[in-house]
Amino acid sequence: AQSVTQLGSHVSVSEGALVLLRCNYSSSVPPYLFWYVQYPNQGLQLLLKYTSAATLVKGINGFEAEFKKSETSFHLTKPSAHMSDAAEYFCAVTHSGAGSYQLTFGKGTKLSVIP
Amino acid sequence: EPEVTQTPSHQVTQMGQEVILRCVPISNHLYFYWYRQILGQKVEFLVSFYNNEISEKSEIFDDQFSVERPDGSNFTLKIRSTKLEDSAMYFCASSVGPLNTEAFFGQGTRLTVV
Repeated sequence: AQSVTQLGSHVSVSEGALVLLRCNYSSSVPPYLFWYVQYPNQGLQLLLKYTSAATLVKGINGFEAEFKKSETSFHLTKPSAHMSDAAEYFCAVTHSGAGSYQLTFGKGTKLSVIP
Repeated sequence: EPEVTQTPSHQVTQMGQEVILRCVPISNHLYFYWYRQILGQKVEFLVSFYNNEISEKSEIFDDQFSVERPDGSNFTLKIRSTKLEDSAMYFCASSVGPLNTEAFFGQGTRLTVV
């Protein structure tokens, strides 16, 4: 069984400040990990994914995440927040074995950016 | 850019009625999914569909739910007899391969059961 915990349902940062959104996972097999973003009234858009290659993954819009097996974490960061980053962010996990068809999502973290 | 489209964007239905939620996946994708998000809760997996059959389903996906790819372009989710607790945002997704590839999500259909 796999699960995802996102610490903080709501995070506020000032424009230009560091963004850090936390995600911890639980998986009995090597995981694949994803971050999705949801803008208001839109679907889920993939930001980045970890699929057992490099542990530091770069995504779109300047976001990156680091897979840390020892900490079972996959935190999302961005050095400098922009107003357009205000959205809800979801961490998700699936297993790396054959026949991996479902994503298990965290509850999401709503990011607010203060001008 | 290709996208997954869902219709309608919002549907209101009476308890006990049947609803069909429609999705048009990206044309060269082979794997199709339905997820739902009850207000304030996690996005939850319902079902995956490949090669014209269900490949995996969750406990939520009981006998009142069914999926179909009726014509090679649409992918539908049917709820036979809706309950109040079926009120949620339903997301369709598709991918080229299993989930080590990217899954593209639609904008969702908000289902309200009254």
